[in-house]
Amino acid sequence: DAGVTQSPTHLIKTRGQHVTLRCSPISGHKSVSWYQQVLGQGPQFIFQYYEKEERGRGNFPDRFSARQFPNYSSELNVNALLLGDSALYLCASSFSGGVGQPQHFGDGTRLSIL
Amino acid sequence: RKEVEQDPGPFNVPEGATVAFNCTYSNSASQSFFWYRQDCRKEPKLLMSVYSSGNEDGRFTAQLNRASQYISLLIRDSKLSDSATYLCVVNRGTGANNLFFGTGTRLTVIP
Repeated sequence: DAGVTQSPTHLIKTRGQHVTLRCSPISGHKSVSWYQQVLGQGPQFIFQYYEKEERGRGNFPDRFSARQFPNYSSELNVNALLLGDSALYLCASSFSGGVGQPQHFGDGTRLSIL
Repeated sequence: RKEVEQDPGPFNVPEGATVAFNCTYSNSASQSFFWYRQDCRKEPKLLMSVYSSGNEDGRFTAQLNRASQYISLLIRDSKLSDSATYLCVVNRGTGANNLFFGTGTRLTVIP
């Protein structure tokens, strides 16, 4: 079975642009979470979605938004990109999104802002 | 104060050595605890969950001390393939399954 898949793998943007990152969870998993990992730091939580509803939101500005589709795939959108948005964006899926459920990560999208 | 704090290392140990990593967490309401492993420029991978009674998986032993808000990972008989960054991870249990990661501890096992 395929694991969590993310696209694109790499992306280069300039300040002020917007970006859409995509994620397909493990088959059968209904919850998707997004994390941002800046070089030298651990991943930081951005959003969790379960059954197309936002279940949790981290401490990120409104420029960050996300949604989940009926097939449980998800998109992360970032508007008005800043240099500080350069990071590895990770998507993780879990079966039901319940507390304590192990999360399985995709390979990530490496976003560079010039 | 950070939600999860770890010694960033690096830890450089010879093959066959035993190495221990520690971390502390700040929120006493935290409910779930994990160790993840992350190889350079790769995604984090779940190594093991951590239970109050302590748990072992082969050469890896994890311990949780809720009173001290302290989590540990012990690796016995280190292998070259154990070289990676080890991330201490905590879930607050407030409804969302959002994980709080430490900055990670870098381990290099030397031949």
